[in-house]
Amino acid sequence: AQTVTQSQPEMSVQEAETVTLSCTYDTSENNYYLFWYKQPPSRQMILVIRQEAYKQQNATENRFSVNFQKAAKSFSLKISDSQLGDTAMYFCAFLSYNNNDMRFGAGTRLTVKP
Amino acid sequence: DAGVTQSPTHLIKTRGQQVTLRCSPKSGHDTVSWYQQALGQGPQFIFQYYEEEERQRGNFPDRFSGHQFPNYSSELNVNALLLGDSALYLCASSFQGGDVYGYTFGSGTRLTVV
Repeated sequence: AQTVTQSQPEMSVQEAETVTLSCTYDTSENNYYLFWYKQPPSRQMILVIRQEAYKQQNATENRFSVNFQKAAKSFSLKISDSQLGDTAMYFCAFLSYNNNDMRFGAGTRLTVKP
Repeated sequence: DAGVTQSPTHLIKTRGQQVTLRCSPKSGHDTVSWYQQALGQGPQFIFQYYEEEERQRGNFPDRFSGHQFPNYSSELNVNALLLGDSALYLCASSFQGGDVYGYTFGSGTRLTVV
């Protein structure tokens, strides 16, 4: 069974600085997607960035980028130029091509300080 | 373009009662997944509906059941409520046959069982 581990329950960063959130996963699958979701106090899960496992190039979305290490089963999220609005829970998620059960980690609570 | 809509926003029920939660998917989406998110944890997959049938089910008891209507909206029913059913219930929609951009989530229904 696939599992997703986020080892940092809480993190904080100063506004305008860079922070990296860690995620590791365990799977025997070769074809899958990885996601980072943001959940602000409004509770809605918002997709931040996604990565397809067959792509070697790391995904980038504006200030958000990932470091995808397939062999190490690692998928970290880097947030550059942190903004106060980035304060939220961040969840790493895994979805196999052959399964509809998206697996989530326990989340990392990120606080951006002014 | 309406996103995923869930109702009600909050709900308080007594142990042993039954509850029905509702979800309208994003326009253009035909698949609905339900997740349970306990406090301080990541979401856990309950089941997914496609073409009005339960397509896949997570590790939840039969007290959890669902339905999908011809207009793709969905209901989650929970019978014989337990205190441990208190959680945020998230609905996510997606489109089969399209590229996987992850799921679009609603803001959830906060269920409290007393």
